[in-house]
Amino acid sequence: GAVVSQHPSRVICKSGTSVKIECRSLDFQATTMFWYRQFPKQSLMLMATSNEGSKATYEQGVEKDKFLINHASLTLSTLTVTSAHPEDSSFYICSAPRSDVPVFGDSPLHFGNGTRLTVT
Amino acid sequence: QQPVQSPQAVILREGEDAVINCSSSKALYSVHWYRQKHGEAPVFLMILLKGGEQMRHEKISASFNEKKQQSSLYLTASQLSYSGTYFCGTEGDSGYALNFGKGTSLLVTP
Repeated sequence: GAVVSQHPSRVICKSGTSVKIECRSLDFQATTMFWYRQFPKQSLMLMATSNEGSKATYEQGVEKDKFLINHASLTLSTLTVTSAHPEDSSFYICSAPRSDVPVFGDSPLHFGNGTRLTVT
Repeated sequence: QQPVQSPQAVILREGEDAVINCSSSKALYSVHWYRQKHGEAPVFLMILLKGGEQMRHEKISASFNEKKQQSSLYLTASQLSYSGTYFCGTEGDSGYALNFGKGTSLLVTP
């Protein structure tokens, strides 16, 4: 079953509004979560690293004031797209490395099911 | 930095083999392979660490050449269910935020 839950799976909003996306690790604690964005037929691009108890780390070119990340607990990270515009329409996917069940000494990423955001 | 995957796309008949390559310009700690079906989240396949060990999951195996900073995914006797986009994700020595390649679209036909 799913080990990372992402909500909502689909959201349509008007330009200028804000949208919050939640990412939860279901049966393990995730001190770190990653947020990716994927445009159609393109790769997953890392947006930011969410750290429990501290500020998120943003990748170059990602506006931290536009994409607000909060890692409130060891099982929950949220991404808020503020003042959304049509160009923000994309597939947003969160992921968490599961270090308590390492695979050959490393932590595989478990992905949420993604949120398809459409800004009209 | 984004790793480079090749080929970009491949079409196979059921039962045929395929190789997908992933290379990086930076030193790597590990390479992860994922498969994504259309409209779904990526699913973890396997991890390879330094040392060139070859890993296997059923009829899918992979190798990692640390010196060349390359990994290859081998799909043997492909099945229809193998269709999807394969991404390699690379992890550098500084942390485990994966950078993904552009993906290789694989279509297996009957």
